[in-house]
Amino acid sequence: GAVVSQHPSWVICKSGTSVKIECRSLDFQATTMFWYRQFPKQSLMLMATSNEGSKATYEQGVEKDKFLINHASLTLSTLTVTSAHPEDSSFYICSGRGDYEQYFGPGTRLTVT
Amino acid sequence: SQQGEEDPQALSIQEGENATMNCSYKTSINNLQWYRQNSGRGLVHLILIRSNEREKHSGRLRVTLDTSKKSSSLLITASRAADTASYFCATGGGSYIPTFGRGTSLIVHP
Repeated sequence: GAVVSQHPSWVICKSGTSVKIECRSLDFQATTMFWYRQFPKQSLMLMATSNEGSKATYEQGVEKDKFLINHASLTLSTLTVTSAHPEDSSFYICSGRGDYEQYFGPGTRLTVT
Repeated sequence: SQQGEEDPQALSIQEGENATMNCSYKTSINNLQWYRQNSGRGLVHLILIRSNEREKHSGRLRVTLDTSKKSSSLLITASRAADTASYFCATGGGSYIPTFGRGTSLIVHP
C-alpha cells in the first residue's frame, strides 16, 4: 500500500487565493522531501528539495516566494501555492526519502479558475 | 541529469499480449521502483526491487534488475485494456535526486 499520502487529492481554487498541499510519510521517517509538478502529458519536473528543519532548495526557475515549502517534521511537508494563478494549475507530487526507502505520493491536482 | 529513463516512449499492443518496457539509470542505487499513472491521475506504486535482487514478481508483473548494466525491465503478462497507462521508473537511495523520464505510454487495445 501507499506509504506517502497527499491531501487534498484534488482542489479547485480561485485566482489570487492560496492553497496548501500536505505530504505525509506514513510508516517511515522522511528526512528529505521532494516536490514535483507535472503538466498534462509531460514528465514530472522537480520543483524543490527540502530537508527536515531546513529551508528548501528550489530548482532554477521555481519562485520560492510563490511556492512555500515547510518540512517541519520527519513525516510532514507542506507546499503552499500563494496567490495562485491559472498557470499554476498542475499536478503536484511529493516524494519522501528515508535512510533506505523512497516513495512517491499519489499527487494533488490543482485547478485555478 | 535524468536518473530514470524509460523506453520505448510508446507501446501499443493487443489485449492478451505481453508488454515489456525498460528503464536505464546512471548512478548506483539501493532500489528501483516502477509506477503507473493513468491519464490525469496520480502515481500508483507497482513494485520495488532492491539492488541485491535480480528479479521480482507481483501478479502479472515481472521486474528484472541488472545493476551491471544499470537497467531494469518491467514485463506485464497477458495485458488487459485496464493496463493502459503511463509507466515510470524511479530510483531510490543514495544522495542523488530522483528524476523521472517521460515514461512509457502503454495502450492495450481490447
